[in-house]
Parts: sequence; structure tokens; C-alpha cells
Amino acid sequence: AQTVTQSQPEMSVQEAETVTLSCTYDTSESDYYLFWYKQPPSRQMILVIRQEAYKQQNATENRFSVNFQKAAKSFSLKISDSQLGDAAMYFCAYRLNRDDKIIFGKGTRLHILP
Amino acid sequence: EAGVAQSPRYKIIEKRQSVAFWCNPISGHATLYWYQQILGQGPKLLIQFQNNGVVDDSQLPKDRFSAERLKGVDSTLKIQPAKLEDSAVYLCASELNYQETQYFGPGTRLLVL
Repeated sequence: AQTVTQSQPEMSVQEAETVTLSCTYDTSESDYYLFWYKQPPSRQMILVIRQEAYKQQNATENRFSVNFQKAAKSFSLKISDSQLGDAAMYFCAYRLNRDDKIIFGKGTRLHILP
Repeated sequence: EAGVAQSPRYKIIEKRQSVAFWCNPISGHATLYWYQQILGQGPKLLIQFQNNGVVDDSQLPKDRFSAERLKGVDSTLKIQPAKLEDSAVYLCASELNYQETQYFGPGTRLLVL
């Protein structure tokens, strides 16, 4: 069975600094999608970034980028120039194919220190 | 574009009572999901609809939970009777067919006393 592990329950970063959230996953499949979702205190889950496993190039969305290491089954999220609005729970997630369910990790709570 | 709507936002009930949640997905989204998110955990899929048909309900506790999606648009999730361990946030998400992005609603926070 596929699993997603986030080993950092909480992290803190100074405003304007860079932080990296870790995620590892377990799968025997080769074609899948990986996601990072952000859930602010209002609880509406928002997609931050998405990576297709067949793409070697790491996905980037403005200040958010990933380090996708397929062989190591690692998918970390880097947030550059952290802002107060980045404070939230961040969930790493895996999806086998476009018709299958998403499996979420337990999340990492990110605090931004002013 | 309007997002996924859910109501109510909060609900407090006593165990053994019944409760229902409502979800209105983004217009045109054929796929709809209900998730249960227990405090400190990631969301867990309860049921997935494609239009008004059930695709996956393998993790739905069918002895107490039921869900329907009439006419392939709005959906309701019901719990009857509720147990203490049902206290959680219930998230609804929708997806345009054959896309890879799910859009989530704000959730309904349920507290069972």
C-alpha cells in the first residue's frame, strides 16, 4: 500500500528566510502525481504545487519549489522569502493516477516568526 | 469562479444523534469527494462520486455513514447515529473530469459530545 510520511510535525522559520519541508513516500508504481497542499487556520485546503513523476524537472510556483528525488522517493517543499501568510499546515500527498484517491501525509505545521 | 461550498461550518451534537452535511461543488466538476480529517491527521477519503455514481466508498463506515449525490451536482453526507470518534472536520472536494487538481471546500467541523 502507498504511504506518505512527513517526519516534521512542526517547523518555524523567520520571516523572509527559506524553509524546507520534508516528505517521503512509498510506492512500487512508476507513474503517479505528488502534491503539496496548504491548509491555513480557516481550514480551506489549497493546492500549492504539483509534480508529475514522469517529469525530471522540479516544479516551481513563484516562491514555492520542490526537490523531487524519484529514486529516493523524496518530495520536499522549499519556501523562499517566507511571509506571515505562509503560516499553515502543509500536507504532502500522493496520487497513483488521475482516477485514484489522494493519500495525504499527517502534515507539518509551519510557523512564521516576525 | 465560485469555489466549493459547504454547510454548516460547525455542528455540535450528542452521541447517537444524526447529522447531515451539504456540499455544492464547482460548477461543471463531475467528480466529488468527501474526506474526514481528524485533528492532527491528514484527510482520509470517505467516498468518491463520478457524476451521481459512486466510484469508491471502501473507507466509508456504511453502518452509520451514507452519502448521495442526486443529479450529479450537490451532495449530502449523513451520519446516523453519531459516535464520539466521528468528531472531525468533513471536507468536500471537487474535480473537473480527468484533471489532477482537487478543489476543497472550507469544511464542516463536527463535535460529538
